[in-house]
Amino acid sequence: QQQVKQSPQSLIVQKGGISIINCAYENTAFDYFPWYQQFPGKGPALLIAIRPDVSEKKEGRFTISFNKSAKQFSLHIMDSQPGDSATYFCAASMKGGSEKLVFGKGTKLTVNP
Amino acid sequence: NAGVTQTPKFQVLKTGQSMTLQCAQDMNHNSMYWYRQDPGMGLRLIYYSASEGTTDKGEVPNGYNVSRLNKREFSLRLESAAPSQTSVYFCASGGRTSGTGGTQYFGPGTRLLVL
Repeated sequence: QQQVKQSPQSLIVQKGGISIINCAYENTAFDYFPWYQQFPGKGPALLIAIRPDVSEKKEGRFTISFNKSAKQFSLHIMDSQPGDSATYFCAASMKGGSEKLVFGKGTKLTVNP
Repeated sequence: NAGVTQTPKFQVLKTGQSMTLQCAQDMNHNSMYWYRQDPGMGLRLIYYSASEGTTDKGEVPNGYNVSRLNKREFSLRLESAAPSQTSVYFCASGGRTSGTGGTQYFGPGTRLLVL
């Protein structure tokens, strides 16, 4: 119930292509869904986040699509660039309690030039 | 504004040795967290502190202890290191009660190798 399942584990995309990473959850109490980006040797950093009252959020080339009924959310990276090559983590948390984030296992994205 | 800082950056220990990982944040956040990151396992919560003076276990607390020294500092202690504790350790701060809307801010990590 506390898990967030992320796929694929790795993804290779050509420059200019669209990268899509998917996550699914079971716990309907989750109400905050962030995506973190991590470059090698660095700590994760927030990329974009969504709450379940909207179905889509866009920031530049990054878009989160959220399907509340299916309990799924995904990250789309448009016009993928080599500089986007990193590991991406989806996560979820719920109101109240400890504010703990539950993370997916990560997707290593490689964008080839 | 340094954000979240961690020391040391890298450490090698022998089995059975002890050490303390230090973390400090200058963003006045109430909540602080310790995670470990292992290949293919994502980020797993070890311990967290919702406010100064309180600590709670996360998903993988065995073999670790923590101290919330004050609002800024949250340390992680390995009393008797084991090879299974070889990992990258991240400290984070933030969250809804810290006024960040749920965002956690991560430090640069400590890479620990236990031989």
